Amino acid sequence: EPEVTQTPSHQVTQMGQEVILRCVPISNHLYFYWYRQILGQKVEFLVSFYNNEISEKSEIFDDQFSVERPDGSNFTLKIRSTKLEDSAMYFCASSEVGATVEKLFFGSGTQLSVL
Amino acid sequence: QKEVEQDPGPLSVPEGAIVSLNCTYSNSAFQYFMWYRQYSRKGPELLMYTYSSGNKEDGRFTAQVDKSSKYISLFIRDSQPSDSATYLCATVTGGFKTIFGAGTRLFVKA
Repeated sequence: EPEVTQTPSHQVTQMGQEVILRCVPISNHLYFYWYRQILGQKVEFLVSFYNNEISEKSEIFDDQFSVERPDGSNFTLKIRSTKLEDSAMYFCASSEVGATVEKLFFGSGTQLSVL
Repeated sequence: QKEVEQDPGPLSVPEGAIVSLNCTYSNSAFQYFMWYRQYSRKGPELLMYTYSSGNKEDGRFTAQVDKSSKYISLFIRDSQPSDSATYLCATVTGGFKTIFGAGTRLFVKA
């Protein structure tokens, strides 16, 4: 069964450092997303991406965040200068073109710890 | 007012019980409603979705939407220990954003 894969599963970084979280969406999906979940809190939308551009972003997704689809298979989230409050589980998701509802397929997440 | 509200639980039931999980939402314009299941340290997995009001059944799971009261429910019949997880209700805005409830932690005891 096709799945969304994320690497690494855990990332530890120092405050102020840049991190790149990587995702390989399901191959025939064309909508891509990043969500995050701070421990004990709800899953929060960060950004959606379609046709090589951002479709929608939340207020969390400020200038420190960027997304990129560098090739035909990878989708990345970059945080330029990490803060303590960026510590969270980051989930990549993808969905099909033409679906009548946004059925999201999630990866297993990258646990980011900012020290 | 939060867009989707959900009691975080935890909810603990014996095996075989009928489970009722509930959410409320604030915006009457929401049309699609989903239930995701999330196991510990994993991403959410779509269980069911419904459009507008009414019921939808899939095996032991029934999703129900009452738009007049802005109430979303998920019923699990004959609950199993493998159903132990966090259940997230969700809805979709007019754009590309899915909004999740806080999730209800369910424990089914053998």
